[in-house]
Amino acid sequence: GAVVSQHPSRVICKSGTSVKIECRSLDFQATTMFWYRQFPKQSLMLMATSNEGSKATYEQGVEKDKFLINHASLTLSTLTVTSAHPEDSSFYICSAKSLRLGETQYFGPGTRLLVL
Amino acid sequence: GDSVTQMEGPVTLSEEAFLTINCTYTATGYPSLFWYVQYPGEGLQLLLKATKADDKGSNKGFEATYRKETTSFHLEKGSVQVSDSAVYFCALSQYNTDKLIFGTGTRLQVFP
Repeated sequence: GAVVSQHPSRVICKSGTSVKIECRSLDFQATTMFWYRQFPKQSLMLMATSNEGSKATYEQGVEKDKFLINHASLTLSTLTVTSAHPEDSSFYICSAKSLRLGETQYFGPGTRLLVL
Repeated sequence: GDSVTQMEGPVTLSEEAFLTINCTYTATGYPSLFWYVQYPGEGLQLLLKATKADDKGSNKGFEATYRKETTSFHLEKGSVQVSDSAVYFCALSQYNTDKLIFGTGTRLQVFP
């Protein structure tokens, strides 16, 4: 139980294009979803927290117009990297939690983005 | 700000060897401490946690003790298996927040 999926698992795009990454909770309703970013040999860094039906809360230094987050339903959140540039290449990971399941965050397997 | 430091990997061990992965933290107050594990192709999974000083978290033969005096939360297992090969992340969160602060991860490789 408590499975989170991400799609796609990896994506390559050209500089200047936008890329959408989906995060789904498969067998539970996620009241809160989180988006992390991980550079090689570095920690996972929290980018933003989103609650279903409300605007995401972004961490300091994360551009909300660059990284658009939509949490339209209790099982789906999307991260759109707008006008992607090579420096946006990274590993993006989502997690989800449910009040019914307690405080534990359940993580997706991650999406590797490469911007050429 | 708060931070987590863990040993660089990879850690390479033979099956049945003793495992220690070091983790130290810098934080104000009394954070909760966690170890997450990521198996190949899967998402991070909570392995164990401790919420106050001297607590010992344990799961699947792994243990870690919250040591406030040394600000450490080292992960140990007495006898590793090939199936324990994964990346292990140490993390902390402050009281009443969802924000997790992670270390860089340590890859463990166990050979038969």
